[in-house]
Amino acid sequence: GDSVTQMEGPVTLSEEAFLTINCTYTATGYPSLFWYVQYPGEGLQLLLKATKADDKGSNKGFEATYRKETTSFHLEKGSVQVSDSAVYFCALRDNNDMRFGAGTRLTVKP
Amino acid sequence: GAVVSQHPSWVICKSGTSVKIECRSLDFQATTMFWYRQFPKQSLMLMATSNEGSKATYEQGVEKDKFLINHASLTLSTLTVTSAHPEDSSFYICSAPTSGPGELFFGEGSRLTVL
Repeated sequence: GDSVTQMEGPVTLSEEAFLTINCTYTATGYPSLFWYVQYPGEGLQLLLKATKADDKGSNKGFEATYRKETTSFHLEKGSVQVSDSAVYFCALRDNNDMRFGAGTRLTVKP
Repeated sequence: GAVVSQHPSWVICKSGTSVKIECRSLDFQATTMFWYRQFPKQSLMLMATSNEGSKATYEQGVEKDKFLINHASLTLSTLTVTSAHPEDSSFYICSAPTSGPGELFFGEGSRLTVL
C-alpha cells in the first residue's frame, strides 16, 4: 500500500540555518503530496502541497518539489526562525485517505 | 479557507465512563471525515473513516465497539470512546477533505486523559 518515509528527528538548528527534511513515498497511483506542521498542543496545519510531478509547493519560506523520478518531496527552508520550531509531517493522498510520515521534530535555537 | 472545529479541546474523565468528541465542518459539507489518534511524539494513526448516512469504516486493529463513530449530518461527525480506560488517553484529531486530491482540513484536536 501507499506509504511515506521521512527523516527521523529530532533536528536541532540555530536560527538562520538551512533546513532540509527528507521525505520519500511509495504509491501505486499519482498521489498529491503535502507537508503539514503541528505546533505544540495543536492540530495540523497545511504548510504546502503539490498535486503533480515537478510542481513546487511553497509557503512561509518553505519549499518542496514533487520529484516523481526519485519519489521524493523534501522540505527546505533557507533560513529558519525560532518560531519554526514544530513537528513537520510529510503526507500523501491518493484516492481518498491520507497517509502520514512519522513526523520530524524541529527545534530552532536563538 | 475551509475550517474544521473539534470540541472539546481537553477532557478528563474517570475510568469506565464514556466520552464524546464532536467534529464539525464550519463552512462546507463533508460527506467523509477521518478520525486520527496521535500518541505522544508519534505520527497520526488513522482510526476510521466516517461516512455520512452509513457506517464508519474502521482500520485494522481499531475496536468498533470501543470507538463509536456517528456521522449524523453533512457537517457533524462524533467519536465516542466507550468505557474509557487510561490506555485510551491520547490526542484525537478529526479531519475533512476537500473534493478531489486536495488537502485535508484538520480540527484542533481533542486531548483525552482517562484517570
